[in-house]
Amino acid sequence: QQQVKQSPQSLIVQKGGISIINCAYENTAFDYFPWYQQFPGKGPALLIAIRPDVSEKKEGRFTISFNKSAKQFSLHIMDSQPGDSATYFCAARVADAGGTSYGKLTFGQGTILTVHP
Amino acid sequence: NAGVTQTPKFQVLKTGQSMTLQCAQDMDHEYMSWYRQDPGMGLRLIHYSVGAGITDQGEVPNGYNVSRSTTEDFPLRLLSAAPSQTSVYFCASSYSKGKRWGEQFFGPGTRLTVL
Repeated sequence: QQQVKQSPQSLIVQKGGISIINCAYENTAFDYFPWYQQFPGKGPALLIAIRPDVSEKKEGRFTISFNKSAKQFSLHIMDSQPGDSATYFCAARVADAGGTSYGKLTFGQGTILTVHP
Repeated sequence: NAGVTQTPKFQVLKTGQSMTLQCAQDMDHEYMSWYRQDPGMGLRLIHYSVGAGITDQGEVPNGYNVSRSTTEDFPLRLLSAAPSQTSVYFCASSYSKGKRWGEQFFGPGTRLTVL
């Protein structure tokens, strides 16, 4: 059962354009929503993350928009560059009273982003 | 710091063989986990550990075994390899407190093929 649904599966953008990747979740107990970036042959690396008490977080060209009522969040990459070509994963984590969930992430299916020069 | 290291990088097994994927981290992280990555499936949690001597199952634990005798090491054992276990395996570790609480650091992965 996929608790985090990610779309699109693949995305092609021209250099300088805006890349948008969307994720939707069902479990209202999720309390932390990170995005990971993965280059070919490498492990994923944290790109940016948000908690549900804010609607937007921006770090450089990367922005997360969060809509708690719709249970959706998205990654926007402004001024996309060929170096941004990678696979992007959204993820979510359930909070628990015991505090042991801090690494237990549920991932989306991934989006392969290609930025043409 | 070396971060999270995994060995081997590539492995080919025959059905029924057993093997251990090694994972080590030098960041003094309490939390460690194993994921498998398959096309169109994202990363799925196999097993995780919140500290030495403590392990628990993730989403897809069948066919895998783990132990955590030290903070640094978290090996993943395939008991009797099956073609369905052909995948890329990632080990990750996390801070449990501080500013970077919850951020997972991934190793470079092990690409496993089961014939």
